[in-house]
Amino acid sequence: DTAVSQTPKYLVTQMGNDKSIKCEQNLGHDTMYWYKQDSKKFLKIMFSYNNKELIINETVPNRFSPKSPDKAHLNLHINSLELGDSAVYFCASSQVTVTGELFFGEGSRLTVL
Amino acid sequence: KNQVEQSPQSLIILEGKNCTLQCNYTVSPFSNLRWYKQDTGRGPVSLTIMTFSENTKSNGRYTATLDADTKQSSLHITASQLSDSASYICVVSAISGANNLFFGTGTRLTVIP
Repeated sequence: DTAVSQTPKYLVTQMGNDKSIKCEQNLGHDTMYWYKQDSKKFLKIMFSYNNKELIINETVPNRFSPKSPDKAHLNLHINSLELGDSAVYFCASSQVTVTGELFFGEGSRLTVL
Repeated sequence: KNQVEQSPQSLIILEGKNCTLQCNYTVSPFSNLRWYKQDTGRGPVSLTIMTFSENTKSNGRYTATLDADTKQSSLHITASQLSDSASYICVVSAISGANNLFFGTGTRLTVIP
């Protein structure tokens, strides 16, 4: 069973389009995240939800909009895609404990042409 | 400012050799430090967690150390294997704050036969 699954794994699209990435976790965790990994492999937090409530909203263009219909799902919608949005987007989940281990999905590689 | 720095940025070693990766941090107040392994095309996976009172912890051929006084951690890999080729990311947790996870930029390890 896949613990954190995200789709699609690859996404190639034109500038200006709108696209969505979906994420689901079956670990029963309370908190879910979206991270962006750039070409230098640095993971940067974008958003975090705890029980469907937005708790982290870093400096991200408002073209990015997360949606959490329930605590097992966190989707990311991106409007008016730009070249600089090309990256790998990782979904992750954790239980809110002292140790706070992150469980990551396999990543969604977005290429904007 | 809370920061995590890793060195070296990249490393190439022969199969069977040992290596040590470094992580220095300025995160405060400190909660714990995790080392993650990220295989190419996959999401990061936790290798080990170090809390304030722990100096050394082993997970198979991986041994992590923590010096909370100097705010340094290392990950030592013994008898490297080709499957150790990956990026290793140091993540430090602060005790408080909604966004309490601070990521290093990673060390890219390549093990060659």
